Amino acid sequence: GAVVSQHPSWVICKSGTSVKIECRSLDFQATTMFWYRQFPKQSLMLMATSNEGSKATYEQGVEKDKFLINHASLTLSTLTVTSAHPEDSSFYICSARDPGQGADGYTFGSGTRLTVV
Amino acid sequence: ILNVEQSPQSLHVQEGDSTNFTCSFPSSNFYALHWYRWETAKSPEALFVMTLNGDEKKKGRISATLNTKEGYSYLYIKGSQPEDSATYLCAFNNAGNMLTFGGGTRLMVKP
Repeated sequence: GAVVSQHPSWVICKSGTSVKIECRSLDFQATTMFWYRQFPKQSLMLMATSNEGSKATYEQGVEKDKFLINHASLTLSTLTVTSAHPEDSSFYICSARDPGQGADGYTFGSGTRLTVV
Repeated sequence: ILNVEQSPQSLHVQEGDSTNFTCSFPSSNFYALHWYRWETAKSPEALFVMTLNGDEKKKGRISATLNTKEGYSYLYIKGSQPEDSATYLCAFNNAGNMLTFGGGTRLMVKP
């Protein structure tokens, strides 16, 4: 079945530094990838939708200059948290959509636990 | 903002018990309802994608029903086993490409 690889699975960084998270679709071409964030005891909240070769669409309240998304190929999307602060500590997870699978075609990575100290 | 709610938030059952949880979602602009099983440190695993009112789907001991007119779906687990312990997520798909998730039901099955 479809597999999405997300790295790193966890990262600790110093306040003010940037962190890049990668999400790769291993056996299908993902024209659309989604980035979610989950704070403790809350739902997965969509941050942005990225389409290959075009700018990402950000949800209300998500700073596009802080959370840079690049979807330069059909198999890779990256999320860069720039100038990270402790309040950015959260769980980030990506999902890639295989358009050939219709409503079934959403596959998730395993997530990245970011801790900013 | 779409409101997708799951209940209960958490559930402790004994091995062998049957259990069920609820997902409620908007009854308008419905395209699909997704159920995922999510174990710690793993990717959410797709269980069911339900699209038609009255749908019933089954996978082993797990089954799900769908009522799009009243906006709810039930997930049932028959004869729970410790390996069923996980968080069960539902997600509403309104054909806008994105999924809106409920808060999940965390199931713990005691041997």
